[in-house]
Amino acid sequence: DVKVTQSSRYLVKRTGEKVFLECVQDMDHENMFWYRQDPGLGLRLIYFSYDVKMKEKGDIPEGYSVSREKKERFSLILESASTNQTSMYLCASSGAQYLSDFGPGTRLTVT
Amino acid sequence: QKEVEQNSGPLSVPEGAIASLNCTYSDRVSQSFFWYRQYSGKSPELIMSIYSNGDKEDGRFTAQLNKASQYVSLLIRDSQPSDSATYLCAVKKTNAGKSTFGDGTTLTVKP
Repeated sequence: DVKVTQSSRYLVKRTGEKVFLECVQDMDHENMFWYRQDPGLGLRLIYFSYDVKMKEKGDIPEGYSVSREKKERFSLILESASTNQTSMYLCASSGAQYLSDFGPGTRLTVT
Repeated sequence: QKEVEQNSGPLSVPEGAIASLNCTYSDRVSQSFFWYRQYSGKSPELIMSIYSNGDKEDGRFTAQLNKASQYVSLLIRDSQPSDSATYLCAVKKTNAGKSTFGDGTTLTVKP
């Protein structure tokens, strides 16, 4: 019953490293999203994509980029990781009006 | 002002009671409203959606929407300890891809 998977559950990186977070969905959804979740700040949208090679900035895109070369895969890239990017990162996908499926999350720690 | 605001909580109710969770939103063009449940250490899961004024019932859950007051709520009847979780309110504008989330309200149901 695999739906949305993320490449890592836990990740520790050093400041300045380039970090790749991968998300794959097997539901043929057009829409995919990257959120980060922090205590007291809730879920905040980083980037989303409506289609292959399409991307839109969310509310907090600074310091991040994304790639969607195939419909099922949406990657989040931290070009130069910083400690304030320590967070839980959640990928989600939807084929309908509502945000339907979240991945298990990646807890990233930048030291 | 945040786009979506929820009672900060935490909210504690005894088993069998009605739990009432509230959410207000600032943008009048918002058209779609969702409640997600998130257990500790897990990803959010969609439990209710509502699009028109009034009540929508699904089992022990009732979502209520009042667009004039820009208010949406979730009632959980006969609360169970298994309902203990953080509940996230999300709002979406029609034809826009992204959902905006509130910070969440943590509910504890005491046996």
